[in-house]
Amino acid sequence: ETGVTQSPTHLIKTRGQQVTLRCSSQSGHNTVSWYQQALGQGPQFIFQYYREEENGRGNFPPRFSGLQFPNYSSELNVNALELDDSALYLCASSLGLPGPDYEQYFGPGTRLTVT
Amino acid sequence: ILNVEQSPQSLHVQEGDSTNFTCSFPSSNFYALHWYRWETAKSPEALFVMTLNGDEKKKGRISATLNTKEGYSYLYIKGSQPEDSATYLCAFIGRAARQLTFGSGTQLTVLP
Repeated sequence: ETGVTQSPTHLIKTRGQQVTLRCSSQSGHNTVSWYQQALGQGPQFIFQYYREEENGRGNFPPRFSGLQFPNYSSELNVNALELDDSALYLCASSLGLPGPDYEQYFGPGTRLTVT
Repeated sequence: ILNVEQSPQSLHVQEGDSTNFTCSFPSSNFYALHWYRWETAKSPEALFVMTLNGDEKKKGRISATLNTKEGYSYLYIKGSQPEDSATYLCAFIGRAARQLTFGSGTQLTVLP
């Protein structure tokens, strides 16, 4: 167990709708990253929050947005859902920015299906 | 766009066999490389954090080496067991952007 939880576990949405995915980090972890994993691929970096500010963004459109809260929880919001957004969404937290000193601890993921 | 590649894509070995697989990454701007093990229906679990050229890390029967000058890392499993069956992911971290760029993983199946 990594101590990182995500909700919900599974979700089905219709194209055009909006969705909010939630992540609860380990206590004390000031960095959270979100990833999208499509079938057959490795996790793709969406964005990272450090001390409640966005600190890096991958190649995802602005309809993907996030928030990090002081209580070590965070959200990923996706507007105007498209079929290609169907994927496993992972969050990962760390004590500091990832690198030589801090490994990331992953949650179990939220499986999003867009129909 | 960073290119992190892992090979092979999948691997089937017999229990007791030793195996290894490769992660290739850009040799410039290297900051760190992470290895993760991801078992089905579980969260990815960190195996190693590697930073220095020539690094060798070991955890039980699993070890990893790092060559930052040529841009590759090897993961070795000695005497594979069925419980080693998982997807093994490597993730590159560049000095400029402190974010993980993952390879697509090597799916290992150890047959009893």
